[in-house]
Amino acid sequence: DAGVIQSPRHEVTEMGQEVTLRCKPISGHDYLFWYRQTMMRGLELLIYFNNNVPIDDSGMPEDRFSAKMPNASFSTLKIQPSEPRDSAVYFCASSFRGTGGNTIYFGEGSWLTVV
Amino acid sequence: AQSVTQLGSHVSVSEGALVLLRCNYSSSVPPYLFWYVQYPNQGLQLLLKYTTGATLVKGINGFEAEFKKSETSFHLTKPSAHMSDAAEYFCAVISTTGGYQKVTFGTGTKLQVIP
Repeated sequence: DAGVIQSPRHEVTEMGQEVTLRCKPISGHDYLFWYRQTMMRGLELLIYFNNNVPIDDSGMPEDRFSAKMPNASFSTLKIQPSEPRDSAVYFCASSFRGTGGNTIYFGEGSWLTVV
Repeated sequence: AQSVTQLGSHVSVSEGALVLLRCNYSSSVPPYLFWYVQYPNQGLQLLLKYTTGATLVKGINGFEAEFKKSETSFHLTKPSAHMSDAAEYFCAVISTTGGYQKVTFGTGTKLQVIP
């Protein structure tokens, strides 16, 4: 399997612009997670989905952030409008809630810089 | 409530010395326990996990961890540190609550290996 695929890998954008991060989970996985990682705040869970339904979005910083999962193989995290404090690495991860221990598999991350 | 505590945000060891990274957890239901490693500019990858059965689990790169229920601990060890072990290590707890899996990561421990 190709693993969790994220795009873009790197993005530099100007403050106020819309940013869309994309994720393709591992085929067959029923959970999808979006995390944000910064030096100051560490690894933060933003939102997670089960079977394409958002279960917990309490980690989403504010209304500028939104996430969707229109089908089992695709999810987006959108920031509109973007601000310099949104600069971070955004990780998508997926897992399958089976008997194997629910291992979470991470993508390589999307490195976002807002200037 | 579920929580993970990693003692020491930074740990330094000499090359060839024992590596010990501490993780304590709390969970109201039997948890699955994980250690992940993150190398610079990469995503998190699974080192090892405990689900059920043998409490001493072995992972990649010579690491192992022991689940001690009475101490609610899952410390990570490696007998002899190698320069390539320099990375950030995350302990994680996954449990099933309300029909959904709940994931909690620790704040991470950065391991420095001194030649």
